[in-house]
Amino acid sequence: AQSVTQPDIHITVSEGASLELRCNYSYGATPYLFWYVQSPGQGLQLLLKYFSGDTLVQGIKGFEAEFKRSQSSFNLRKPSVHWSDAAEYFCAVVTSGSARQLTFGSGTQLTVLP
Amino acid sequence: DSGVTQTPKHLITATGQRVTLRCSPRSGDLSVYWYQQSLDQGLQFLIQYYNGEERAKGNILERFSAQQFPDLHSELNLSSLELGDSALYFCASSEGQGATLGEAFFGQGTRLTVV
Repeated sequence: AQSVTQPDIHITVSEGASLELRCNYSYGATPYLFWYVQSPGQGLQLLLKYFSGDTLVQGIKGFEAEFKRSQSSFNLRKPSVHWSDAAEYFCAVVTSGSARQLTFGSGTQLTVLP
Repeated sequence: DSGVTQTPKHLITATGQRVTLRCSPRSGDLSVYWYQQSLDQGLQFLIQYYNGEERAKGNILERFSAQQFPDLHSELNLSSLELGDSALYFCASSEGQGATLGEAFFGQGTRLTVV
């Protein structure tokens, strides 16, 4: 079954530093990949998506992600982190077949130090 | 504001009871999904409806059921509640069924506490 793995449970960065959150997918063909963010006490919000084409995708809030087929990865990046980026980040994949579903990774909690 | 409305926001109930969680999707969205989020299980997909029909089922217990009504709102029914059912239950909606179902809008969730 298609799935995504987020190897980092918790990441801490200083404000202004760059950020990279890892996501690896397991899928035979080109997957439909997404990154979501969940702020404390809130629902999830879509940051960006990849369907096909350009492997570097831009999202909201200054985030970008790069699809690398050779590494089965879809890592999320931001050049300079703001304190308001502290949240939990989820990578997700839409599974194929007759019963498509949106499956999430286990999430990475981001802490931003002042 | 995602446009997805979930009620109630909080629910405290006793073991063995039954509760109903309600979701109004974003205007125009035909797909509705339910997710359960807990500390030990993470975000688990429960079930998806598209225009009133069940389309995908995940790790949903037999004690749980859902439906989507003609006006597209959805309800998740949880019965014979156990302590382990305590969790945050999210509803999400999207326009379609293909890749775009990944472009989901989430409600703020219903926090269920079973005591």
